[in-house]
Amino acid sequence: GQNIDQPTEMTATEGAIVQINCTYQTSGFNGLFWYQQHAGEAPTFLSYNVLDGLEEKGRFSSFLSRSKGYSYLLLKELQMKDSASYLCAVIDSNYQLIWGAGTKLIIKP
Amino acid sequence: GAVVSQHPSWVICKSGTSVKIECRSLDFQATTMFWYRQFPKQSLMLMATSNEGSKATYEQGVEKDKFLINHASLTLSTLTVTSAHPEDSSFYICSATGTSGSNSYNEQFFGPGTRLTVL
Repeated sequence: GQNIDQPTEMTATEGAIVQINCTYQTSGFNGLFWYQQHAGEAPTFLSYNVLDGLEEKGRFSSFLSRSKGYSYLLLKELQMKDSASYLCAVIDSNYQLIWGAGTKLIIKP
Repeated sequence: GAVVSQHPSWVICKSGTSVKIECRSLDFQATTMFWYRQFPKQSLMLMATSNEGSKATYEQGVEKDKFLINHASLTLSTLTVTSAHPEDSSFYICSATGTSGSNSYNEQFFGPGTRLTVL
């Protein structure tokens, strides 16, 4: 079966750095997305990785290792507004998007 | 980036009535649109995928006669919840992928969602 695992919840301190991990087992791979979703709102796109390595975009970076079926989202200089759920999603060989359950990130002052 | 709008933002209706939700791509051609449902504190659940001009493909367990999806143009898809019941109360979100000029989007762009409450 297809499976995406990410921690259910994480807590971090304002100004700190946090890494949210995602591991996947899917039938084929055509890319991995990270989305941010604030409570009561729709998801917003953060990043897309299809090749191994680190993609940096401001305070957010996303890393992919296809051989390990592993990705992480790194958030630096955390702000209170970063409190949200972070969703990992993988496109499989049929170009279906498989969603993780999301990681709820709680930022404390 | 590409923009997707959704209307209405929220709707309250009586049990047994039908509700139509519109999803529009504002600045790109949405060749594929997706409809999701999300219950409180749960992850997104894909309901169906629709390609412009074709019948929607429904996920297992989603009643196609209850959730009618129309994707008649490259900028508009509609979801109609027929004979809505309280258990249909949820957050419905559409997303789209497509093209704009020479740009082709891999990522899904989400609409803001529609909160449906059935009394």
